[in-house]
Amino acid sequence: AQSVTQLDSHVSVSEGTPVLLRCNYSSSYSPSLFWYVQHPNKGLQLLLKYTSAATLVKGINGFEAEFKKSETSFHLTKPSAHMSDAAEYFCVVSALSSGGGADGLTFGKGTHLIIQP
Amino acid sequence: DGGITQSPKYLFRKEGQNVTLSCEQNLNHDAMYWYRQDPGQGLRLIYYSQIVNDFQKGDIAEGYSVSREKKESFPLTVTSAQKNPTAFYLCASSIHLTVNSNQPQHFGDGTRLSIL
Repeated sequence: AQSVTQLDSHVSVSEGTPVLLRCNYSSSYSPSLFWYVQHPNKGLQLLLKYTSAATLVKGINGFEAEFKKSETSFHLTKPSAHMSDAAEYFCVVSALSSGGGADGLTFGKGTHLIIQP
Repeated sequence: DGGITQSPKYLFRKEGQNVTLSCEQNLNHDAMYWYRQDPGQGLRLIYYSQIVNDFQKGDIAEGYSVSREKKESFPLTVTSAQKNPTAFYLCASSIHLTVNSNQPQHFGDGTRLSIL
């Protein structure tokens, strides 16, 4: 069965310091992985995706993530947090015939990122 | 600009009433999806459609119905059989089904449904 675990429900950092949002996954097949961001009362916006090309993926707004197969992780990082980064972040795994959701996707429960001034 | 439009932004339902949430996309995407989001939860799939005139139940389809008569439109009806409909509903689309194509989903801004 496929699963996604976002290891922290809340992360608080100071503006200008690094951000680390952790995501572990399990999948019987080679997965595709996505990170999305959601601001209050808005839909989800794609930050970046991994689809078996380069393991270090660069996304929008200075975010990047590294796919580590040996650790089954896909952690999201940013060198310097900005106030506008405060939002909910979702890790998503997609794999055909994976035992995930009916459409093959599994969403993490989200990490709420708080930026302290 | 291309995108997904959900309406209304806020909706109230009375006991025993069916309500319909609208979702329209002008991205020329084949696949469309409906998700339900509850506080502190990830997204849960209600229904999805790979192509016009086809749709499949998701993980929590009971109490909901959909239609896909046009490529651009994928309305969701929350029926009176759905006993706990209060939630944030998100519509999404992708070029093809994400699991088959690795194409990401694009999301609308959601409809918040509450019970009167």
